[in-house]
Formats: sequence, C-alpha cells, structure tokens
Amino acid sequence: DGGITQSPKYLFRKEGQNVTLSCEQNLNHDAMYWYRQDPGQGLRLIYYSQIVNDFQKGDIAEGYSVSREKKESFPLTVTSAQKNPTAFYLCASSLPGGRNTGELFFGEGSRLTVL
Amino acid sequence: GESVGLHLPTLSVQEGDNSIINCAYSNSASDYFIWYKQESGKGPQFIIDIRSNMDKRQGQRVTVLLNKTVKHLSLQIAATQPGDSAVYFCAEPSPHYKLSFGAGTTVTVRA
Repeated sequence: DGGITQSPKYLFRKEGQNVTLSCEQNLNHDAMYWYRQDPGQGLRLIYYSQIVNDFQKGDIAEGYSVSREKKESFPLTVTSAQKNPTAFYLCASSLPGGRNTGELFFGEGSRLTVL
Repeated sequence: GESVGLHLPTLSVQEGDNSIINCAYSNSASDYFIWYKQESGKGPQFIIDIRSNMDKRQGQRVTVLLNKTVKHLSLQIAATQPGDSAVYFCAEPSPHYKLSFGAGTTVTVRA
C-alpha cells in the first residue's frame, strides 16, 4: 500500500547527541515536509522540499538539518544545537501546488525525548 | 505569525450530539482551507476541504461552512461518535504550497 513511513516511532537521546529521523514515501510525491508538534500547539514547519536536491527552511529550522538525495526519502537530523528537541515530529508529502488540492499526507510521527 | 487559529482549545460533546469546531483566518486573500483530524499518537488525516468560491461543503457526517465576510470557517460533525475524539486542525496553504496550521481543538466525546 502507498503511504509515508517514519522511523523510529520512539527515540531517546542524550543531550549533545545528534539524531536522524527517517521518512520514506512511495506515493511518488514531489514535495516533502517536516513539522514539529508540541503539546497543545499546532504544527510548525521545520523544513520542506519541493524537488530532489532542493530544500528550504521553514519557520523553525534552527538546530535541524535535512537532505533530499532521493525523491522517496527526506531524513531529518536533530542536532545538538537544537535547544529544546523533545517533541513529536511529523513528516508529510504532497504533490506540488497547482497539481492537486494541496492536501498533505502525513506519516505516523516520531516521538523524540531528550534525557 | 499564525494565519489561522481555532477559537476554543477543547470541546466536550455528548455522544450523538452535533459538534461545531470554529476557526478564524486573517488573510482575506485566502482561497482554500483544509480540515485535518489527528488521533492520539498518530499523524493528521485529511477530513474535508473548501474553496473560497463555496460557502458550504458536505462530506460524510461532516460539513464545513465558510464565511468570507468575517473570515471564519467551521467544521460541523453530525451525530458525534466516540471515534470522533481527536484534535481537529484547520489549515490553509501559504506561499510555496506549505500549509499553515492552527493550534487545534481537542474534541472529547462523552458516552
């Protein structure tokens, strides 16, 4: 079945360590996104990519990095520079605007806890 | 800053009653809105969308109303069921086809 797969679902990290969250999609979507969700808050955009080998900073990119070497994959690295990394991270994909309704398809999320 | 926002962070509703979730937006040029449902520990899922050339759109047990005069939209859920318990977000596309999300309304269905 087509969809978006995020891994791991739960991740614990010590302070000062980098960690990479995986996001893979087999929907043949060009655009992919990473959002962060904190309790009681909406989704905030970290990074997005509209095409392979290109990505743009979202609203809260500091302390994060991404790559887009393949259409199917958009990994997110949470670096030690991110001051408050404990959160629920959501990956999404979509067809580029103008070719569809703009709907995002989300993965099941990765919950990162810094100890 | 946030361009869409919901009025109430929580809503408690009796099973079988109708639910109404509200959302306000600030950009009068906005022409497309989407409602998402997020169950606990999962990613958001698309419920229904509406374009600015419409005032109302109906789906299965859900209706979205758009009032462009006061820049307000609402999601109505008919005969609310326990499976409707979730966080509901309204969202609108922003430049570069990103989506801007409101803070969400947590709906709790009482048996």
